[in-house]
Amino acid sequence: EAGVAQSPRYKIIEKRQSVAFWCNPISGHATLYWYQQILGQGPKLLIQFQNNGVVDDSQLPKDRFSAERLKGVDSTLKIQPAKLEDSAVYLCASSLIGDAYEQYFGPGTRLTVT
Amino acid sequence: SQQGEEDPQALSIQEGENATMNCSYKTSINNLQWYRQNSGRGLVHLILIRSNEREKHSGRLRVTLDTSKKSSSLLITASRAADTASYFCATGTGAFGTGTSLTVIP
Repeated sequence: EAGVAQSPRYKIIEKRQSVAFWCNPISGHATLYWYQQILGQGPKLLIQFQNNGVVDDSQLPKDRFSAERLKGVDSTLKIQPAKLEDSAVYLCASSLIGDAYEQYFGPGTRLTVT
Repeated sequence: SQQGEEDPQALSIQEGENATMNCSYKTSINNLQWYRQNSGRGLVHLILIRSNEREKHSGRLRVTLDTSKKSSSLLITASRAADTASYFCATGTGAFGTGTSLTVIP
């Protein structure tokens, strides 16, 4: 079974630039999550999708972050404009449906904002 | 969203010893999950325990859950150097704690 795929793996941008991350979840997984993990901290949920609908985006900084999940499969997370404090690893995870099942994580995208 | 808090923040043991880490949380839960993160394999799910369960085993892992105290513990028996990693509890959708950093010395 293929795992969660993410790209790119690394990205370096200057502040005020834009960046986009892509995630392809495990086939058949209805729920998709985006997390931000700052060095030394636990993952922080940014947004949760169930199929192509948003379940929870309460911690997403909506003035600069956006995410979509078209057709209930792949998802993209965008930051525009980036700030220095956005430097982190962005993790995508998927699960069968909801929080009753374990999450499977992708390798993450390490973003450095200079 | 609610967040689990792991204790201790860091733990260093000799290979072969047991490692215990704890998680406390604040509100009622449906289940609690433990994850491991190391640089080689990223974040990996270890075990899920439901609110009506008190103990669960998986290989060298044992998880307990005490909903009256709002706490859980993860026990790793006969630790190996490969167990060196950060361990997180997650108490709800997306609600991860800050983790326990475990170092197993060969």
